[in-house]
Amino acid sequence: DGGITQSPKYLFRKEGQNVTLSCEQNLNHDAMYWYRQDPGQGLRLIYYSQIVNDFQKGDIAEGYSVSREKKESFPLTVTSAQKNPTAFYLCASSVRNDGNQPQHFGDGTRLSIL
Amino acid sequence: GQSLEQPSEVTAVEGAIVQINCTYQTSGFYGLSWYQQHDGGAPTFLSYNALDGLEETGRFSSFLSRSDSYGYLLLQELQMKDSASYFCAVRDGGDSNYQLIWGAGTKLIIKP
Repeated sequence: DGGITQSPKYLFRKEGQNVTLSCEQNLNHDAMYWYRQDPGQGLRLIYYSQIVNDFQKGDIAEGYSVSREKKESFPLTVTSAQKNPTAFYLCASSVRNDGNQPQHFGDGTRLSIL
Repeated sequence: GQSLEQPSEVTAVEGAIVQINCTYQTSGFYGLSWYQQHDGGAPTFLSYNALDGLEETGRFSSFLSRSDSYGYLLLQELQMKDSASYFCAVRDGGDSNYQLIWGAGTKLIIKP
């Protein structure tokens, strides 16, 4: 079955630590996205990638970094510069970054500060 | 600025019909989407409207009026499993580079 796999499901970060969230898809999609969701709020775009070896900042990229070395993989690093990292992080993909292409989501990673 | 407005919470009875409204103000417009998200889960795509009018998919329908910058999601024959949050999202253009701008979500509570 094709889909998006995020790991880990829960992650705890210590002060000053960088942590990396994994996102893998086997849907053969070109476009991938990282969103942050805070309680009672909509999704906010952190980074997106339209093709391998290319990515663009979203609305809230500060304190985060990404890479897209393989089509299937789009890991997100939450750096120590992100002072309020506690949130639900969602990875998504779509066939391409196009008007009517639905985004398919992983089950998310909950990040908390120790 | 860019914004999407939708009610924070709606309550309905099992078997009834409910409408969730969404008004948007964005610099560009390339379509209105609706997603469903159960508590703690992943959003799943429900519908997409690029042109004015009603799109029907089973018990769910979605409507768009571009002149009014307004759309709604209509859920019929409500079932308990429909209890979830529903998000509208607009595909913007221009500076947002065709990204989805999301509303804050409407929590649908269904009573037996």
